[in-house]
Amino acid sequence: DAGITQSPRHKVTETGTPVTLRCHQTENHRYMYWYRQDPGHGLRLIHYSYGVKDTDKGEVSDGYSVSRSKTEDFLLTLESATSSQTSVYFCAISESGTGVGSSYNEQFFGPGTRLTVL
Amino acid sequence: DAKTTQPPSMDCAEGRAANLPCNHSTISGNEYVYWYRQIHSQGPQYIIHGLKNNETNEMASLIITEDRKSSTLILPHATLRDTAVYYCIVRGTLSISNDYKLSFGAGTTVTVRA
Repeated sequence: DAGITQSPRHKVTETGTPVTLRCHQTENHRYMYWYRQDPGHGLRLIHYSYGVKDTDKGEVSDGYSVSRSKTEDFLLTLESATSSQTSVYFCAISESGTGVGSSYNEQFFGPGTRLTVL
Repeated sequence: DAKTTQPPSMDCAEGRAANLPCNHSTISGNEYVYWYRQIHSQGPQYIIHGLKNNETNEMASLIITEDRKSSTLILPHATLRDTAVYYCIVRGTLSISNDYKLSFGAGTTVTVRA
């Protein structure tokens, strides 16, 4: 299994509190992603990173911020948690992006963090 | 990004082949078809991908129609451990990093029965 860990694995917090989730990899992969998964939906991309200090928004980025100060860590922050952010959060990594002739971009996923905002 | 359509659920008998269909009628010429699966409470797992030709690996086979508007994932001998949600994804392109974004839909819930 790819070396990806997420912490915490479970968290219960109250509305309005800040929350930071951590994704840590030991694979030295360049790309890292944060997804959320809710019942009735597939995974939806929140933010991603294509290098240290290089990040961009995904399809559901409102209310979230990210930071990547070193290759191995990608942090997801909820500045002021809301009940709508109750979800399971998955981190993923991949080695390479596209390039002419590149066809392979397997993403390896972490075990997930279950976040409950009361 | 091209969208995909999958049946919401299907059952399969243990030891039999499971054939999972996926429609992607708006796929463009340079978009790959990926399959991932997610076993309950775990992160998704890559299965296979392809562009035009049929592909096979140790987990599954991928059959892509000649017009590329649909594909079928084949699990040749389904086991109880293959019970999972299977996602068919057509890879698009992110704008800044030129990395591919995987857009997961609802997938097909496959239940393998003894």
